[in-house]
Amino acid sequence: SQTIHQWPATLVQPVGSPLSLECTVEGTSNPNLYWYRQAAGRGLQLLFYSVGIGQISSEVPQNLSASRPQDRQFILSSKKLLLSDSGFYLCAWSVGMNTEAFFGQGTRLTVV
Amino acid sequence: AQSVTQLDSQVPVFEEAPVELRCNYSSSVSVYLFWYVQYPNQGLQLLLKYLSGSTLVKGINGFEAEFNKSQTSFHLRKPSVHISDTAEYFCAVKLGGSNYKLTFGKGTLLTVNP
Repeated sequence: SQTIHQWPATLVQPVGSPLSLECTVEGTSNPNLYWYRQAAGRGLQLLFYSVGIGQISSEVPQNLSASRPQDRQFILSSKKLLLSDSGFYLCAWSVGMNTEAFFGQGTRLTVV
Repeated sequence: AQSVTQLDSQVPVFEEAPVELRCNYSSSVSVYLFWYVQYPNQGLQLLLKYLSGSTLVKGINGFEAEFNKSQTSFHLRKPSVHISDTAEYFCAVKLGGSNYKLTFGKGTLLTVNP
C-alpha cells in the first residue's frame, strides 16, 4: 500500500535561517506531488506541485522554493526564513489527473 | 480559475443532531469534488469524492454529499453526529481535463457538543 512520510513534525527556526522540509512517498510510481501551506482561517494554499522529476510549478510568488530530485521525493526549501513563513505545511500526492490527493501528517513551522 | 466557497466557518451542533456543511464552487467546466476532514495537528483524510455518475455519494463515517450542478454545490451531510466528528472539514475542487491542481475552501469547523 502507498504511504507518505513528511518530517519533521514540528520545527522552530529563527528569522533568516534556511529551511528544508522533506516528503517521500512509498508504494507508487510517478506520483504528482504537492506542497500546501495552511494558516488559521485561510484554508489550504497550494504552494508548489510537480508532475515529474525536475518539473516544478509554483502557484504563488514567495520566499520558498521546491525541488524534486527523485521520483518520490519532494523538498520545500528557503534560503532565509521570514516571520510570515510560519504555518502548517502539508505534503500530498496523487496519481493521474482526476483523482484525490493523499496527505502527509504535516510540519508545524514556527519562525521566531 | 476554479474557486471554492464554504459558507460557514463554524458550525456548532448537539450530539445526535443532523448536520449540513455547505460548499459552493465556481467553474464553467466539468469538475471533480472532494470533502476532507482534519483533526487537530494532523493531515487531511478523504471523506468522499464525486468524479462522475450518481450525484449522491457516500463516504466514510456515515457522511454523504450531493453534487448539484445547477446550483454548483456539493453540500456534506450526516443524519446524526457524534462527539468524535468534531473536526475541521474542507471542500475541494479539481477541474476536469488536464489539470492537476486541487483547490480548497477555507474550511468549516464542526463542533459537536454533548
